[in-house]
Amino acid sequence: GAVVSQHPSWVICKSGTSVKIECRSLDFQATTMFWYRQFPKQSLMLMATSNEGSKATYEQGVEKDKFLINHASLTLSTLTVTSAHPEDSSFYICSARLAGLGYNEQFFGPGTRLTVL
Amino acid sequence: KNEVEQSPQNLTAQEGEFITINCSYSVGISALHWLQQHPGGGIVSLFMLSSGKKKHGRLIATINIQEKHSSLHITASHPRDSAVYICAVTYSGGGADGLTFGKGTHLIIQP
Repeated sequence: GAVVSQHPSWVICKSGTSVKIECRSLDFQATTMFWYRQFPKQSLMLMATSNEGSKATYEQGVEKDKFLINHASLTLSTLTVTSAHPEDSSFYICSARLAGLGYNEQFFGPGTRLTVL
Repeated sequence: KNEVEQSPQNLTAQEGEFITINCSYSVGISALHWLQQHPGGGIVSLFMLSSGKKKHGRLIATINIQEKHSSLHITASHPRDSAVYICAVTYSGGGADGLTFGKGTHLIIQP
C-alpha cells in the first residue's frame, strides 16, 4: 500500500515551453502533497507544500508564478513549470502525506527528470 | 539556519561489513527520516523516527533527541545496499511537514 506515482518519468522540452508533472496517490487520500527538486549532486530541496482545495505554500526563493501547483483532488497534485529555461532542468519529486491517529508518514513518487534545451 | 549534517559523505566497504551512517541536526524536530535513493533517482522511505530505535531486516535506525543525532546501521552489508542514504527531518513548531534534507551518504558495497 501507500504508493505514489508520477508522470511523466522524464521529459525533454524546448526553452519557453510549459511542462506539467502529475503526482498521484494510488491507494490513499492525501490532503497534503509536497514538491521537491534535486539538482545534480545536490540535496533535495522542498519547493512547496500542496494542500487539497487551497493555495500551495511556497518556500523562500521559489517563484509561485513560475511553478504552478494545483491540488484539485485528494489523490492528485500537479506541478506546472511555466516558460521553462535550462536552469529549471532538475529532478522533481513529489511526496504524499498519509496521516492519521498515531501516524504521519510521507511516501515518495519515483520522480520526474526534466531537461530543458 | 536549520541544517542537517550527514557523515560520511562517501563510504566504500566490503560485502559483509557493518555500516554506520550518522546524521545530526541543529534544532528541535518532530520526526527524522532515513531515505534510500537509487541511481535512477527514486526514493524509498526506510524509517521515520521520533525517539528510540527501529529495526527492519538488516537495517537499524536510532535517534538521540537530547544530542540531536541519529544513526543508520546496516548489518551484513550486501552490494545491493549500494545507494545514497539521506537523512531528513521535519522541524517542530512549523506549520508544514515538508522535509529538510541532508546531502546524503553515497554508499558502495563491493563484493
